[in-house]
Amino acid sequence: KAGVTQTPRYLIKTRGQQVTLSCSPISGHRSVSWYQQTPGQGLQFLFEYFSETQRNKGNFPGRFSGRQFSNSRSEMNVSTLELGDSALYLCASTNGLVAFFGQGTRLTVV
Amino acid sequence: GESVGLHLPTLSVQEGDNSIINCAYSNSASDYFIWYKQESGKGPQFIIDIRSNMDKRQGQRVTVLLNKTVKHLSLQIAATQPGDSAVYFCAENLNQAGTALIFGKGTTLSVSS
Repeated sequence: KAGVTQTPRYLIKTRGQQVTLSCSPISGHRSVSWYQQTPGQGLQFLFEYFSETQRNKGNFPGRFSGRQFSNSRSEMNVSTLELGDSALYLCASTNGLVAFFGQGTRLTVV
Repeated sequence: GESVGLHLPTLSVQEGDNSIINCAYSNSASDYFIWYKQESGKGPQFIIDIRSNMDKRQGQRVTVLLNKTVKHLSLQIAATQPGDSAVYFCAENLNQAGTALIFGKGTTLSVSS
């Protein structure tokens, strides 16, 4: 069974631009959640989607948004990028309790 | 074996020792806890979980202990191996109606042979 797949693996963007990251969950998993990992703040919860609806939301500004499609695949978008948005963005999927993570997308904002 | 009472950012042990990694969680209402292992360049990997109605759970070479009175979790690794070297995170699920994990700061475990 394939794991959680995130694309792209690496991304370099310029301040002010926007970016879209993609996540394909494990087959059969309906919940997808997103996390930001930085050396200073650690792993922080962004939001969770279930059946195409946002079910939980962390404390991030509105520049961070997401969506989920009918096949459970999810995207997250960050608009008006800031240098501080440089991070590893992780996606996790679950069909119950255990959240399984992908390898992440390393975003660098220059 | 090596043990720590409070969270430490790093833990160094010898191969074959037992390791104990500690974590404090924040929310008394959290009912589910997970330990993850993260190796360099990879996403967190599930190790073991425990629900709040249990105080101990064992896996292969790993044991998780939960003390709800003081809101404390620990991960015990038996016979630590060089392949166990990684960053270990505890996480609590803040929202019972979904998956919203709050992660601890992480402990870097270094195993020398």
